[in-house]
Amino acid sequence: DAGVIQSPRHEVTEMGQEVTLRCKPISGHNSLFWYRQTMMRGLELLIYFNNNVPIDDSGMPEDRFSAKMPNASFSTLKIQPSEPRDSAVYFCASSWDRLGTGELFFGEGSRLTVL
Amino acid sequence: KNEVEQSPQNLTAQEGEFITINCSYSVGISALHWLQQHPGGGIVSLFMLSSGKKKHGRLIATINIQEKHSSLHITASHPRDSAVYICAVADYQLTFGKGTKLSVIP
Repeated sequence: DAGVIQSPRHEVTEMGQEVTLRCKPISGHNSLFWYRQTMMRGLELLIYFNNNVPIDDSGMPEDRFSAKMPNASFSTLKIQPSEPRDSAVYFCASSWDRLGTGELFFGEGSRLTVL
Repeated sequence: KNEVEQSPQNLTAQEGEFITINCSYSVGISALHWLQQHPGGGIVSLFMLSSGKKKHGRLIATINIQEKHSSLHITASHPRDSAVYICAVADYQLTFGKGTKLSVIP
């Protein structure tokens, strides 16, 4: 398996623009996580899906952020409108089991810079 | 919300030294993860444990559920072990420590 695949790897955009990050989890994994990493706050869980259903989105910072998982092999994280404080590395991870009880496999991350 | 504390924040060691990184948490958990993040940014899962001890090569992870504490040990450290090591605990959500930056000098 190719592992968790994220795109784009790097994104530079201007404030106010819509940003869409994409993730393809490992085939057979039933849990998918979106994380954000910044120097100030470290790694933070944004949202967690199990069997394509959002289970916990309490980490989503505000309504500008939304995430979908239309099928078992694809998820998106959308920011609209983007702001400079959204600049971070966004990681997607998948697991074969529920939150925290299975090994986590991370994508390479999407580095977002909002000017 | 679980409070996760890692220590030390930064660690510099000579090649060959035995290294210990600590993680404490405040609320009971179902599992604890140790992750490694290399300077390039990629994150790799090293261990997931809910009790006792696990060993993989030169890496050993232990957890004491009663004391809410886990340690990651590296024996015979090598410059390629230089990375940020992150502890994450799972209760009803996953909470991460701030990480320990390890530098191993030849």
